Amino acid sequence: DGGITQSPKYLFRKEGQNVTLSCEQNLNHDAMYWYRQDPGQGLRLIYYSQIVNDFQKGDIAEGYSVSREKKESFPLTVTSAQKNPTAFYLCASSNTGGANTEAFFGQGTRLTVV
Amino acid sequence: GQQVMQIPQYQHVQEGEDFTTYCNSSTTLSNIQWYKQRPGGHPVFLIQLVKSGEVKKQKRLTFQFGEAKKNSSLHITATQTTDVGTYFCAGRRLTGGGNKLTFGTGTQLKVEL
Repeated sequence: DGGITQSPKYLFRKEGQNVTLSCEQNLNHDAMYWYRQDPGQGLRLIYYSQIVNDFQKGDIAEGYSVSREKKESFPLTVTSAQKNPTAFYLCASSNTGGANTEAFFGQGTRLTVV
Repeated sequence: GQQVMQIPQYQHVQEGEDFTTYCNSSTTLSNIQWYKQRPGGHPVFLIQLVKSGEVKKQKRLTFQFGEAKKNSSLHITATQTTDVGTYFCAGRRLTGGGNKLTFGTGTQLKVEL
């Protein structure tokens, strides 16, 4: 099956701990994205990557870090510096050119800080 | 930075009524995309508009892209309970934004019988 996979679906973290969210795609997309969604709110961009070994900060990057060592993978680390990490995290991927640049989303990871 | 706003934030309609959500970008866009997120789900792509003034239809849904490529609208005719969800527009800047894909604030639609 082609698609984008996020794991885990639910994640609980103690305050002060770092946690890494996984995102893998087999769609051969160059671009990958991480968004945060809070209840009743829109999607806010955390980080995005247009190509392997390159990534840029989005609108709310503070307290987060990413890596893009492989085309298929774009893990997100939520660090202890993120003051309010409880949220729904969505990973997406897309082509970077041509007619079809729509984003394909994973099922999301719901992170709760306890 | 680029901002994409949508109005209204929420809309409750009776089944059979029409619904419209409006999307406004602070910058000119290369194209506009629309997504639907069902409750508890993830956003799913609906359509993309590229040309200034473009209008596209998908059954009861009509999408428009403004002449200045900074605004867009989604109109649903005769809503059904299956239309429930949050509708997002999303776009990339025409210049200087690379592949940064910014989503609008979303409009949550509830349809009552």
